[in-house]
Amino acid sequence: DAEITQSPRHKITETGRQVTLACHQTWNHNNMFWYRQDLGHGLRLIHYSYGVQDTNKGEVSDGYSVSRSNTEDLPLTLESAASSQTSVYFCASRSGRGDTGELFFGEGSRLTVL
Amino acid sequence: SQQGEEDPQALSIQEGENATMNCSYKTSINNLQWYRQNSGRGLVHLILIRSNEREKHSGRLRVTLDTSKKSSSLLITASRAADTASYFCATAPDTGRRALTFGSGTRLQVQP
Repeated sequence: DAEITQSPRHKITETGRQVTLACHQTWNHNNMFWYRQDLGHGLRLIHYSYGVQDTNKGEVSDGYSVSRSNTEDLPLTLESAASSQTSVYFCASRSGRGDTGELFFGEGSRLTVL
Repeated sequence: SQQGEEDPQALSIQEGENATMNCSYKTSINNLQWYRQNSGRGLVHLILIRSNEREKHSGRLRVTLDTSKKSSSLLITASRAADTASYFCATAPDTGRRALTFGSGTRLQVQP
């Protein structure tokens, strides 16, 4: 069955370290998204991509970067982790370019920055 | 800032009762969607209602949309303990960036 997987599911790191969260989907979806979830804020959009070599900033993109070298993967990199980036991170995808249909979510990656 | 804001933030009911959650948003939308999240899991899509629709049903779910008031409601009828979860509304704008914007969610507890 097609799916979207995130790794690692849990990670503890130190302030200043670089961290990469992986996201892999097997639906061949063009659109992929990264959100972070914090208590009281719901989900906030970090970065998104409408296809290979396309990346766009969301509302909370500072300190994060993404790259899209193929359809299946959209890794999220924290260049220098900060305590404020402790959160649960969700990757999501959907079909169609610019389509506004339903999102399919991964199970999340819980990141703790000490 | 959040586009969608759910009300109430938390809701506790008995099995068999109906649960109603409300969502308000700020800008014009293409569609509004509701998602469910079980504790420690990812979000799962429940239902999508387009801006030209007023009501939609899916099983025990009923969604209404009032674009003049910029609000939506999700009704879960005959609730079950398994409906215990957080519920989020998400809006898709009708112009510009086509990414969904989520509200902060309603935590529903259904007591057996």
